[in-house]
Amino acid sequence: GNSVTQMEGPVTLSEEAFLTINCTYTATGYPSLFWYVQYPGEGLQLLLKATKADDKGSNKGFEATYRKETTSFHLEKGSVQVSDSAVYFCALSVAFTGGGADGLTFGKGTHLIIQP
Amino acid sequence: DSGVTQTPKHLITATGQRVTLRCSPRSGDLSVYWYQQSLDQGLQFLIQYYNGEERAKGNILERFSAQQFPDLHSELNLSSLELGDSALYFCASSEEQGGTDTQYFGPGTRLTVL
Repeated sequence: GNSVTQMEGPVTLSEEAFLTINCTYTATGYPSLFWYVQYPGEGLQLLLKATKADDKGSNKGFEATYRKETTSFHLEKGSVQVSDSAVYFCALSVAFTGGGADGLTFGKGTHLIIQP
Repeated sequence: DSGVTQTPKHLITATGQRVTLRCSPRSGDLSVYWYQQSLDQGLQFLIQYYNGEERAKGNILERFSAQQFPDLHSELNLSSLELGDSALYFCASSEEQGGTDTQYFGPGTRLTVL
């Protein structure tokens, strides 16, 4: 089956520090990869995505590169802010042959805390 | 605001009861997905509908069912509720049938079973 593994944290960093959240996956088929962010009391928002190997997704200073050879999609940001404090979820979706796809398979989420 | 709406925001009920959660997708989106988020299980995919038809099934219990109506809104029915069904239930929508599509999530319905 499909699965996503990510560090759960909490990860605590100081403002302006460099961030890496590791994400690795296993998938039956060729997945699309996603990072979603959940702020307290809210639903999930798409942060970035990549749909094929070597693609780099980026948004709001965050980046992640689809690495097929290492089955990874690590999230990075060069300088974090207090407002980045949230829970980050790595996820994948595998398309069915002939159309359609399974729902998103999520990792357990990484709670990120940025201190001023 | 993702454009996906869910009602009610909170629901408190007793074991053995039945509840219905409602979701309206973003304008133009044909797919609706349901997810359950709990502390022990994390975020789990339950079921997907595309233009009124069931398209994919995840870890959905037999006590749970869903449907998508002609106006594309969807309802998730949970019956014979147990304490362990207490969770946050999210609805998401996308333009097509998934895969590379971005799924847009609603704010969720928090279900508490007492």
